Amino acid sequence: DAGVTQSPTHLIKTRGQQVTLRCSPKSGHDTVSWYQQALGQGPQFIFQYYEEEERQRGNFPDRFSGHQFPNYSSELNVNALLLGDSALYLCASSLGLFAYEQYFGPGTRLTVT
Amino acid sequence: AQSVAQPEDQVNVAEGNPLTVKCTYSVSGNPYLFWYVQYPNRGLQFLLKYITGDNLVKGSYGFEAEFNKSQTSFHLKKPSALVSDSALYFCAVSPDRGSTLGRLYFGRGTQLTVWP
Repeated sequence: DAGVTQSPTHLIKTRGQQVTLRCSPKSGHDTVSWYQQALGQGPQFIFQYYEEEERQRGNFPDRFSGHQFPNYSSELNVNALLLGDSALYLCASSLGLFAYEQYFGPGTRLTVT
Repeated sequence: AQSVAQPEDQVNVAEGNPLTVKCTYSVSGNPYLFWYVQYPNRGLQFLLKYITGDNLVKGSYGFEAEFNKSQTSFHLKKPSALVSDSALYFCAVSPDRGSTLGRLYFGRGTQLTVWP
């Protein structure tokens, strides 16, 4: 039974560029949440997708956007990258919109130079 | 507003000794509480959760946590630490109602070091 997978593992981008991160949820899960973990900090909620719609959003600018596909996989897009966007981006999946048990992927380490 | 505090950035303990990693929280309504562990360059691994019921919950790898409603705390404990327990530990809370139901709020993490 495959857990949550994320790609790529690492990514280096330049300020002003755009990036797309990908997540496949655990088998049977239909809800995907994205978190940003800056160095030395706990993860912070970005947004949550269910039934291909954004259901909740944390305190992140519109430069952060996402998408969920019919197979429940998800993408996180960040436009106009800033140095401060450098972080580990974690994807979590769950079964149902209000499920409290979330399973995390290994993350994508984004470095913005 | 929902929040989690982990008052210790680092906890050091000798192998075989008991360990405690502290966590306090603030949440609207009743809390769902979690502990996760993170190894270097890895994602978060679930350890245990409190949803309702017995205040002492048992989780993976011999860890347990005690929910104390009056002190709004959810401290992580283990009777006998192992060197392999050395990692970064995160406490998280989710409200049981409202518009942020299902969202996890994390503390800043506590680095646990167990020396031989």
